[in-house]
Amino acid sequence: SQELEQSPQSLIVQEGKNLTINCTSSKTLYGLYWYKQKYGEGLIFLMMLQKGGEEKSHEKITAKLDEKKQQSSLHITASQPSHAGIYLCGAARNRDDKIIFGKGTRLHILP
Amino acid sequence: EAGVVQSPRYKIIEKKQPVAFWCNPISGHNTLYWYLQNLGQGPELLIRYENEEAVDDSQLPKDRFSAERLKGVDSTLKIQPAELGDSAVYLCASSRVGGRTDTQYFGPGTRLTVL
Repeated sequence: SQELEQSPQSLIVQEGKNLTINCTSSKTLYGLYWYKQKYGEGLIFLMMLQKGGEEKSHEKITAKLDEKKQQSSLHITASQPSHAGIYLCGAARNRDDKIIFGKGTRLHILP
Repeated sequence: EAGVVQSPRYKIIEKKQPVAFWCNPISGHNTLYWYLQNLGQGPELLIRYENEEAVDDSQLPKDRFSAERLKGVDSTLKIQPAELGDSAVYLCASSRVGGRTDTQYFGPGTRLTVL
């Protein structure tokens, strides 16, 4: 079965620093989603990547999908307290497949 | 545009009691999903609806879980009877059209505690 591995599991970063979260699959993916979840709340959609080599940015968050479509990274520039939360990647192998989620990366921002 | 609405936000019950969760998807979204999220894990799909039809319920424990979406809009997920292991967050999501990889928008979830 398809599994998504996220790394690191947790991350503590000083406010203002940059950081990167990774999501890796052993199989080629059809689409890769990044969500953010505040503790005790639902998931907030960030970005979707579908093409090999694709890169998208929103404010200070940039997500990339590698050429093989098996790995994605999420990069946050000049982190702020509002970036704290759990970042989840989700992916499907084809258009008709259900989305499988990783276990998430817990990000803490130190003031 | 209002997001996905879920109620209640929190529910505490004793084991063997029934419980129900309600979800109202984003207006115009035909596809509705129910997910289970255990602590420290990502969401896992329980059931997916296309309008009124349950098109994927393979992960729904049918001995105690049931769901319905009678008019193709609101949906209810029920557990009867609840067990201790059912304590988790139950998330509802919706997407505009069919196709499992369409962007899904999530509600705030219902946190269930079974004592």
